[in-house]
Amino acid sequence: AQSVSQHNHHVILSEAASLELGCNYSYGGTVNLFWYVQYPGQHLQLLLKYFSGDPLVKGIKGFEAEFIKSKFSFNLRKPSVQWSDTAEYFCAFSRSGSARQLTFGSGTQLTVLP
Amino acid sequence: EAQVTQNPRYLITVTGKKLTVTCSQNMNHEYMSWYRQDPGLGLRQIYYSMNVEVTDKGDVPEGYKVSRKEKRNFPLILESPSPNQTSLYFCASSKGNRGLITDTQYFGPGTRLTVL
Repeated sequence: AQSVSQHNHHVILSEAASLELGCNYSYGGTVNLFWYVQYPGQHLQLLLKYFSGDPLVKGIKGFEAEFIKSKFSFNLRKPSVQWSDTAEYFCAFSRSGSARQLTFGSGTQLTVLP
Repeated sequence: EAQVTQNPRYLITVTGKKLTVTCSQNMNHEYMSWYRQDPGLGLRQIYYSMNVEVTDKGDVPEGYKVSRKEKRNFPLILESPSPNQTSLYFCASSKGNRGLITDTQYFGPGTRLTVL
């Protein structure tokens, strides 16, 4: 079965620190990849997505992610976090060409200390 | 404004009392889906629908039913709720083409369900 692993369950950073959240998926074929964010009390919003092309994807609010096919990874990065980035982050993927389901990871709670 | 709406937002009920959570989208999306979110487990898909009258099971369909009689609506039905269905539920919609998700999923605000 396809799955997504987010190894960091809770990350605590100070403002201005750099962020990298890990995401690995298990599927041997072509994939579409997503990062969603859920701010406290709000619904999920798309941060960025990768369908094809340049493996370095830039999203909203200064986030970016790099797709490394050989590592089955799609790690999320931000050079300098802000207190307002405190949220839960979910990696997800669907299979290209047969994309009927979106599989989510278990999420990473990011807490940014002011 | 493009949006996915869910009702109710909060619901407390008792074991065995049938309930329906409604979901509606105004973006003319073909694809709609229901997820449940539980601590440490992320979002797990319950059911999805590629278009009107076309539905399929996700990863955790047991104890749930859905219907898709109109393109904009995708209600989630719990015929006989049990305490293990206490969760936060999200509806989502997306463009679809030839039966595939082709774009970002847009999520509703969530319904927090407690089954006593």
